[in-house]
Amino acid sequence: QQQVKQSPQSLIVQKGGISIINCAYENTAFDYFPWYQQFPGKGPALLIAIRPDVSEKKEGRFTISFNKSAKQFSLHIMDSQPGDSATYFCAASTASKLTFGTGTRLQVTL
Amino acid sequence: SAVISQKPSRDICQRGTSLTIQCQVDSQVTMMFWYRQQPGQSLTLIATANQGSEATYESGFVIDKFPISRPNLTFSTLTVSNMSPEDSSIYLCSVGTGLNQPQHFGDGTRLSIL
Repeated sequence: QQQVKQSPQSLIVQKGGISIINCAYENTAFDYFPWYQQFPGKGPALLIAIRPDVSEKKEGRFTISFNKSAKQFSLHIMDSQPGDSATYFCAASTASKLTFGTGTRLQVTL
Repeated sequence: SAVISQKPSRDICQRGTSLTIQCQVDSQVTMMFWYRQQPGQSLTLIATANQGSEATYESGFVIDKFPISRPNLTFSTLTVSNMSPEDSSIYLCSVGTGLNQPQHFGDGTRLSIL
């Protein structure tokens, strides 16, 4: 099965707080897990990505946690800022074909 | 990362007509893909554009409806044929440099069919 499940559908976080978005997958053939950020009227922009041989990857305020046995991965945005307000998509790839989650609309309030 | 340009950025078309969307990359890339994103929804892979050969289509998408060309390593087109209102979507081109390497997206073509 190619489905990637993403939650929550929407998220409101205060400025300075931590935003957490979760994804789960079924297909064990997936071997690359990127996260994309999309602003209205724009295409998705690659934020950070991880491979299944790594349990955590951090780039600036963005961290991916990966649990291979549970087939779950999550995005943590530390010190969330109003400029982070966007839609976030997790994705999973096999043979370079990306399967996207359903998206999370993040709003960071002042 | 590569700069990806899509044309047109948006269009409004009549039912039954066809529209060709162009994707131009500023450097040679190994892989090019076409996705569809319905309003407020996630992205779905339509096909992989193969240079010099027929595109590889995903389940639910057929060549007669979405013919794709890729004449070289920097350019591809997607045609949406015999359009109906259900084809109203954002169509996005993405490029990658190799197997399971990062994919980068253009800003998409916003298509509305009346």
